[in-house]
Amino acid sequence: AQKVTQAQTEISVVEKEDVTLDCVYETRDTTYYLFWYKQPPSGELVFLIRRNSFDEQNEISGRYSWNFQKSTSSFNFTITASQVVDSAVYFCALFRNSGGGADGLTFGKGTHLIIQP
Amino acid sequence: DTEVTQTPKHLVMGMTNKKSLKCEQHMGHRAMYWYKQKAKKPPELMFVYSYEKLSINESVPSRFSPECPNSSLLNLHLHALQPEDSALYLCASSVGTGELFFGEGSRLTVL
Repeated sequence: AQKVTQAQTEISVVEKEDVTLDCVYETRDTTYYLFWYKQPPSGELVFLIRRNSFDEQNEISGRYSWNFQKSTSSFNFTITASQVVDSAVYFCALFRNSGGGADGLTFGKGTHLIIQP
Repeated sequence: DTEVTQTPKHLVMGMTNKKSLKCEQHMGHRAMYWYKQKAKKPPELMFVYSYEKLSINESVPSRFSPECPNSSLLNLHLHALQPEDSALYLCASSVGTGELFFGEGSRLTVL
């Protein structure tokens, strides 16, 4: 069975602070994909990043960076110099590639990030 | 703008009504999904269609009936729903191994 754990239910920081959202996953598959999605109050889930299980390189995109550590089954997300517009619920998710078809995403419970001005 | 379009955005229905949610994508994706999301909870997978065939049904009650008329369209037919079925229903599509593209969702209220 697959499982994604986001232990931080809610994080509140002041604008311009750096913040890290934690994600720990469990899977027996050797091939899998990890994702981060952002869900603003409007409701739409916005794709942020995909990382496959064979690529442990960290990635930076503007103020966003991701740290994938296969040894600890973690895929953490850091926002540098946070802004009010970053306020949203962030979901970490695991996608299993069974090879036989399209499998769905298993989501963590989400972290509600509040950036205060 | 999202490339997955869901209609209607809001729906209110009684427990005896029959209604449908619609989803459309023109990205050529072979997989389409229905997710249900309750307030302050993560999305939960309901159905997956792959090449227009139902590949996953996550033990969803029969009052929810999915349909995939063609590779671009996905419907969710609703009948005899319960108030606890009130939620945000999200449609998504993907190439099968990549990221899912989500629509803005249909917010359903069952009275």
